[in-house]
Amino acid sequence: NAGVTQTPKFRVLKTGQSMTLLCAQDMNHEYMYWYRQDPGMGLRLIHYSVGEGTTAKGEVPDGYNVSRLKKQNFLLGLESAAPSQTSVYFCASSLVQGDTQYFGPGTRLTVL
Amino acid sequence: EDKVVQSPLSLVVHEGDTVTLNCSYEVTNFRSLLWYKQEKKAPTFLFMLTSSGIEKKSGRLSSILDKKELFSILNITATQTGDSAVYLCAVVEGAQKLVFGQGTRLTINP
Repeated sequence: NAGVTQTPKFRVLKTGQSMTLLCAQDMNHEYMYWYRQDPGMGLRLIHYSVGEGTTAKGEVPDGYNVSRLKKQNFLLGLESAAPSQTSVYFCASSLVQGDTQYFGPGTRLTVL
Repeated sequence: EDKVVQSPLSLVVHEGDTVTLNCSYEVTNFRSLLWYKQEKKAPTFLFMLTSSGIEKKSGRLSSILDKKELFSILNITATQTGDSAVYLCAVVEGAQKLVFGQGTRLTINP
């Protein structure tokens, strides 16, 4: 079982460029989440999804968009990257509401 | 605003010591509290707590929740250098969201 996987692992962008981070899970989980982790800030929820075709805003959604076209995939998009979006991005999934969330290995993004 | 606060933010102890990490929370619609250990990459799950006063235990780690006083503690006894990590506390609130604390960076010196 691969669990939760994320691609890419590292990326460097210039200000204004766009990119998409892919999260995939093979555990048939309904819920998926995107977080960013910054030093001293803990993990902050960007967007989440409670099922295929649904998405919702988290704590820090501005500058990001998401899509959940397939149950196993949750995409995080940056339309116009800014240096403030330099961070480590984690995807997570859970089977049901309030259940343990399983995390992917993270994507380290640097925006110059 | 939902809030999870961990203390201390950083802790350095010697191998063999016992440590207690704290997590207090204020959330609108509490569902459960989770503890994670984060070494170099992704957080890994330790415990999920939903009921007050019931201790969860796994080897040298244990945790308990107090829903009246709105806090949880994570205890690690006979610490080892492999316990060095950031320990994250998170609260699941009603809208299926996890609210994380800042984490406690624990360093175990040999």
